[in-house]
Amino acid sequence: EAQVTQNPRYLITVTGKKLTVTCSQNMNHEYMSWYRQDPGLGLRQIYYSMNVEVTDKGDVPEGYKVSRKEKRNFPLILESPSPNQTSLYFCASSPGVGSGNTIYFGEGSWLTVV
Amino acid sequence: KNEVEQSPQNLTAQEGEFITINCSYSVGISALHWLQQHPGGGIVSLFMLSSGKKKHGRLIATINIQEKHSSLHITASHPRDSAVYICAVRLWDTGNQFYFGTGTSLTVIP
Repeated sequence: EAQVTQNPRYLITVTGKKLTVTCSQNMNHEYMSWYRQDPGLGLRQIYYSMNVEVTDKGDVPEGYKVSRKEKRNFPLILESPSPNQTSLYFCASSPGVGSGNTIYFGEGSWLTVV
Repeated sequence: KNEVEQSPQNLTAQEGEFITINCSYSVGISALHWLQQHPGGGIVSLFMLSSGKKKHGRLIATINIQEKHSSLHITASHPRDSAVYICAVRLWDTGNQFYFGTGTSLTVIP
């Protein structure tokens, strides 16, 4: 089954404790991306990757890091989480970004930083 | 600054009604997506448009490039259509970055 898998789905952590949210896709997609969703602000793009070893900043990259060492994986790293990073996070992938490419989303990861 | 505006923000309809959700954007785009988010959070892609019109079951999506506007129509609405509908665009001048509307929350009453 084609899917994007995120882990953990739910996490409560403390300020400053490094954490990683993993994202894996089994569709051999080139494009992967991370988003956060906040009430009243909607979805905002954090980082995206066009292919292995190619990553770019989205609209709100501050406080986040990513890596793309393998095509299937695109982890999101919060080196020193702060309460303003409490949010619902989505990973997504697509074959590319050109015409005709559907976006597939993971189920979301609820992150609370206290 | 919000590159993508959706309307209405909230919409309540009776089962069977025809529904229209609008999306306007401010600059040139290379693609527009309509997404559906159900309670519980999961997001599903409904359509990707770069021109014209697409239809899938009771859902129809149109885009007018000149007017920088897209609409999502739901015919014969059903309570299971209750969800948040989100418009997303990839702008010409931002490479491969996506921008999103804040969503339209639809409730269909039996």
